[in-house]
Amino acid sequence: GENVEQHPSTLSVQEGDSAVIKCTYSDSASNYFPWYKQELGKRPQLIIDIRSNVGEKKDQRIAVTLNKTAKHFSLHITETQPEDSAVYFCAASSGNTPLVFGKGTRLSVIA
Amino acid sequence: DGGITQSPKYLFRKEGQNVTLSCEQNLNHDAMYWYRQDPGQGLRLIYYSQIVNDFQKGDIAEGYSVSREKKESFPLTVTSAQKNPTAFYLCASSPPVRAGELFFGEGSRLTVL
Repeated sequence: GENVEQHPSTLSVQEGDSAVIKCTYSDSASNYFPWYKQELGKRPQLIIDIRSNVGEKKDQRIAVTLNKTAKHFSLHITETQPEDSAVYFCAASSGNTPLVFGKGTRLSVIA
Repeated sequence: DGGITQSPKYLFRKEGQNVTLSCEQNLNHDAMYWYRQDPGQGLRLIYYSQIVNDFQKGDIAEGYSVSREKKESFPLTVTSAQKNPTAFYLCASSPPVRAGELFFGEGSRLTVL
């Protein structure tokens, strides 16, 4: 089955700097790669996703890149703000199978 | 107001007792899921159901049971056979046209005393 590895497990950045979180996956059949943000004590919320027919997708300060050959995808957050502090999860699926999640990255944005 | 409702939000249970967590959705989604979340472990799949009266085991199904008698409801029972049940449990659903995109409930935090 699918296995998703996520790095780093914790990340601290200064406000205004960029943050990058990386994930690798094992199943070449996977074609859907979402990113979720979870604030303390709350439910995960989808912030951006990408499907395998594109290599990059942007939404304001966040972007996701996908390299299908290398089986890795990354989340980029620019101009970080304190409200970006949260746990971020990457995930992968083939569409017909449930999402498999990485173990999460705790991002701290220091003002 | 559409969404996924989980109850209870907090639950305490004694060892050896079964407990059932409720999950109801009014989004008309076919697929529903239960994930368990532990610190540093991410979200791990317990059970999922893609259609009424059918469900499949996930990666950590031992000690859990589910039913899917109605499209709107997917309750999870944590049995006494689950060796370490203290965790945060998340229910989710996904629409057929955007398979894989999950909508989560607010979660249920179970503590075994």
